[in-house]
Amino acid sequence: DIQMTQSPSSVSASVGDRVTITCRASQGISSWLAWYQQKPGKAPKLLIYAASSLQSGVPSRFSGSGSGTDFTLTISSLQPEDFATYYCQQANSFPRALTFGGGTKVEIK
Amino acid sequence: QLQLQESGPGLVKPSETLSLTCTVSGGSISSSSYYWGWIRQPPGKGLEWIGSIYYSGSTYYNPSLKSRVTISVDTSKNQFSLKLSSVTAADTAVYYCASPEGVRGVILGWGQGTLVTVSS
Repeated sequence: DIQMTQSPSSVSASVGDRVTITCRASQGISSWLAWYQQKPGKAPKLLIYAASSLQSGVPSRFSGSGSGTDFTLTISSLQPEDFATYYCQQANSFPRALTFGGGTKVEIK
Repeated sequence: QLQLQESGPGLVKPSETLSLTCTVSGGSISSSSYYWGWIRQPPGKGLEWIGSIYYSGSTYYNPSLKSRVTISVDTSKNQFSLKLSSVTAADTAVYYCASPEGVRGVILGWGQGTLVTVSS
């Protein structure tokens, strides 16, 4: 089974900061990686798919990169509405399996 | 635009079976574009995929839950269901139904989530 490890588990940042979150797969997953944003009490929202493709309607300050086992999500200039928890998800073994990372909470500094 | 809505008891006793149903609107559950799945999130913790089903009936389960999980689809009602047997307090979570896309393997459509508490 493919395991997904995110780091850090939490990050404190200020509005306007650049924030980078990493996700590592236990084995190569090509570009089969997605990123989600989740706010308290809400379902996750898809931000990025295929490692670097921006989902329609998502602000361009969000970007993704990587392939194989190492991936990053970058928020270029943090906005107040971006304080949330972010999850990566591998789709390489879908539909047999669908695995999420442990999450990264972006908190106000 | 697909809409999904979970329904079912919010409280289940230990050792009993948790049963939830997801009603799909805005599209057909027989669509070849989607799978239908369940994801859960214990309070304050991360997301865990439980399993998925295709309209044809093919099922895929998380190995850690496989022995206790059954997911089924009712195309006549445009619904799919989750049964999780022999529950314990560790199964207390918000349960989301979701519609993973077959091509991209990502989830655009989510239910609002329903909290299920396991307690006597």
